[in-house]
Amino acid sequence: GAGVSQSPSNKVTEKGKDVELRCDPISGHTALYWYRQRLGQGLEFLIYFQGNSAPDKSGLPSDRFSAERTGESVSTLTIQRTQQEDSAVYLCASTEVIGEAFFGQGTRLTVV
Amino acid sequence: AQTVTQSQPEMSVQEAETVTLSCTYDTSESDYYLFWYKQPPSRQMILVIRQEAYKQQNATENRFSVNFQKAAKSFSLKISDSQLGDAAMYFCACQDSNYQLIWGAGTKLIIKP
Repeated sequence: GAGVSQSPSNKVTEKGKDVELRCDPISGHTALYWYRQRLGQGLEFLIYFQGNSAPDKSGLPSDRFSAERTGESVSTLTIQRTQQEDSAVYLCASTEVIGEAFFGQGTRLTVV
Repeated sequence: AQTVTQSQPEMSVQEAETVTLSCTYDTSESDYYLFWYKQPPSRQMILVIRQEAYKQQNATENRFSVNFQKAAKSFSLKISDSQLGDAAMYFCACQDSNYQLIWGAGTKLIIKP
């Protein structure tokens, strides 16, 4: 595709349910990032994939959060047993090995 | 560890005036990239300007320019002739040979008409 695509754009879920967020990066981009952004705040790093290297998971806030990426394709971020504090915008970005990051529009997650 | 610091949580400027947003960073590398991104209320992150550390000349993109001071590890963004559409959050980022982007906390820019 022409840009980074994230789905869904909005998700409302009940506390305790699992959610899966999807990111389609730009074709050929080896690096992929997931960030969490609370209202009016900065980017909170979650996880970083770079090619076939082991992902940097150091930003995942708890073991309820996990992410997968197969090769240089789609990535999914899964949040299990969602809590109200998980409510935020989740942003995905992809880059070539080094250079400009291209962002998706984000998924706004609301846990009620 | 690599860090990026934006010391101004919020800045305001009169329309048509000039404003400078500050950014300092810390890296042990000699070669790296620096970026300024803009995030308007639509939340879409947009690249404003980039600077390669090996280039001494400051990057410029129309009304946007940087003051890159490598020895001081400073990378400020100057916006000239501010327009209402410049109102947004501005994020500074650094990328070195580890490749991972490190972000500042952001500066909210308010444009007063």
